Amino acid sequence: QVQLQESGPGLVRPSETLSLTCIVSGGPMKSYYWSWIRQSPGKGLEWIGYIYNSRSTDYRPSLKSRVSISADTSKNHFSLKLSSVTAVDTAVYYCARAGVSTSSRSLFDHWGQGTLVTVSS
Amino acid sequence: EIVMTQSPATLSVSPGERVTLSCRASQSVSSNLAWYQQRPGQAPRLLIYGASTRATGIPARFSGSGSGTDFTLTIRSLQSEDFALYYCQQYESWPSFGPGTKVEIK
Repeated sequence: QVQLQESGPGLVRPSETLSLTCIVSGGPMKSYYWSWIRQSPGKGLEWIGYIYNSRSTDYRPSLKSRVSISADTSKNHFSLKLSSVTAVDTAVYYCARAGVSTSSRSLFDHWGQGTLVTVSS
Repeated sequence: EIVMTQSPATLSVSPGERVTLSCRASQSVSSNLAWYQQRPGQAPRLLIYGASTRATGIPARFSGSGSGTDFTLTIRSLQSEDFALYYCQQYESWPSFGPGTKVEIK
């Protein structure tokens, strides 16, 4: 049974960089698409980006200039960095697994429990 | 970006009733439409993909239909654990989610 667990600071100062890690257990990372998704009262569920085979990435256009997703499949984890955060980046951040093909790269069948990140001074 | 809308925002129903939730895409997504259930304090759970295929372990009382821009999720005979938020999501292009429908106890 694949399980995902997010970790990282729950509080980030405005203008700093939000950094989160997702540890994957119970299954391989190789060949799957791995995404970050966030949820806030104001914007609902919002896809941030994905990484595939540790190299290929794609990001939400509106966040592209501030986002970076990386992965270390040997350690079974992938990470999110979101720079220059403001209060609107306050949300519950989820990591999620999608499929193995381009047609299912955004079909999320396994999710972490989510971690609340608050941006505040 | 493909914009997803859902209706109604809230449904008040009694256990055992049948409910139908609607989802509409701003442009055709073919059958690349999924439904998720989210209970309080939990992550979304995949229910339906390909507009009508139940995900692994999902009870048969959940069914989905539609293609193109209009989709429905039907829950036959609501159980207590079904009172939750339901989201639709298109994966035809960069993924986008609807705002959700809350199914609450009447």
